[in-house]
Amino acid sequence: QLVESGGGLVRPGRSLRLSCTPSGFTFGDDSMSWVRQAPGKGLEWIGLFRNKRYGGTTEYAASVRGRFTISRDDSKSIAYLQMNSLKTEDTAVYYCTRGGWFGDLMGFDIWGRGTMVTVSS
Amino acid sequence: QSALTQPASVSGSPGQSITISCIGTSSDIGGYNYVSWYQQHPGRAPKLMIYDVTNRPSGVSDRFSGSRSATTASLTISGLQTEDEATYYCCSFTGSSPPYVFGGGTQVTVL
Repeated sequence: QLVESGGGLVRPGRSLRLSCTPSGFTFGDDSMSWVRQAPGKGLEWIGLFRNKRYGGTTEYAASVRGRFTISRDDSKSIAYLQMNSLKTEDTAVYYCTRGGWFGDLMGFDIWGRGTMVTVSS
Repeated sequence: QSALTQPASVSGSPGQSITISCIGTSSDIGGYNYVSWYQQHPGRAPKLMIYDVTNRPSGVSDRFSGSRSATTASLTISGLQTEDEATYYCCSFTGSSPPYVFGGGTQVTVL
């Protein structure tokens, strides 16, 4: 499965870095995505890391573009979501997921349990 | 890119069949064979139930099936069971930015 960590309470304007590590498999040739869910709300796709075959490039939702950055260290089998200039509307549970770019399927087949990020003064 | 449109709630009795609709456009649901459905129980992570419009991942009950007509995708749950009570989200690839959009979610209640 996937295990996220790094969530917590942070002041508006500050930064936070989330981590995601696979358990029982490695990222290998997989792409991965981050999806978030604000309290009581639906799911929102926020970012994608394409696998090596597609250049390891990234793509982001407009709501986080320019503030959030996804990276991955395949040698350590860990992915990151760097969140800068956080806003109160970024408060959500953040899920790490496998998939998102032309793998075995187009969708998200493995999800972490999520980590809560609260942005508040 | 606007979110996909789902009914807020659907209900049914045990053993019945229900269908959840997911309305999109020719730029998402109607343009690609990449619709997926997720089940989420309260406090839990979403679980993939259907991918590529009609395919079930290994381990997902065959009571769950997906389909599409033009720009509307559907998830049908047959032989409704109490454990099916959850929120269901549809999701579609868009081929543009953002590459994925989700529906607002449908709460399924087993009466």
